[in-house]
Amino acid sequence: DQQVKQNSPSLSVQEGRISILNCDYTNSMFDYFLWYKKYPAEGPTFLISISSIKDKNEDGRFTVFLNKSAKHLSLHIVPSQPGDSAVYFCAASVNTGANSKLTFGKGITLSVRP
Amino acid sequence: GAVVSQHPSWVICKSGTSVKIECRSLDFQATTMFWYRQFPKQSLMLMATSNEGSKATYEQGVEKDKFLINHASLTLSTLTVTSAHPEDSSFYICSATLRLASNQPQHFGDGTRLSIL
Repeated sequence: DQQVKQNSPSLSVQEGRISILNCDYTNSMFDYFLWYKKYPAEGPTFLISISSIKDKNEDGRFTVFLNKSAKHLSLHIVPSQPGDSAVYFCAASVNTGANSKLTFGKGITLSVRP
Repeated sequence: GAVVSQHPSWVICKSGTSVKIECRSLDFQATTMFWYRQFPKQSLMLMATSNEGSKATYEQGVEKDKFLINHASLTLSTLTVTSAHPEDSSFYICSATLRLASNQPQHFGDGTRLSIL
C-alpha cells in the first residue's frame, strides 16, 4: 500500500521555466512533509519541508504547496536550472520529532534542458 | 558537505557471506539513525529505526535476525546483512537526525550498493 504517491516517473522542462513536481498521500495522519533531491551515487539531500499547519513554504527558487483537503502537495522550482536535474522524492511523517519515521514516494526524475 | 558518512559504498560478495555496513554522523550526535533499502525504481523503504544504547525497532516484514543493527555510540550505527543471498541485493542507505532536535530533517548517507553473487 503506497501511502505516498508520485505518479509521474519523470518530467522534462526547459531551462528558465517552472518545474512542478506533484505528490499525493493517502494517510490523513501525516502532518509533516519533505522534499529530497538525489543525484546518482549520492544520498538524498533535504530541500524543503512544510508542516500541515501551513499551505505554503518558500525557500529561494523552491516553493512547496500543501492542499490538505486534497491530500496533495507540490514542489515548484522557478526558474529551473540544468543543475536541478535529479530525482526528487516526496516524503511524509506523522510528527516532526527527531525520531519520526519517513514514508517516501518512488521519486520523480527531473530533467532540465539547457 | 556530507554530515552522514556511509561505508562501504559498494560491495560484491558471494552468497552466504555476511556484510557489515557502517553509518557515521559527522560533527553531530545522532540519537536516532534509520536504515532504508531501495530496489530499482522503487521508493526508499524503512527497514528499522536504530536508537543509541537500545535495541533497534524493525518495520513489519523485516527479519531482525537477518539484518542485525548495532548502535553502540551516538555517532555510529552498523547494519550487518547475515548470510546474504542474491535477493538481498539492493541499495542500503542510512540517515540520522540531530540529537534532541525536532523539526530537523533526516540527513542521509550516500548509500551502499550491495550485490550478492
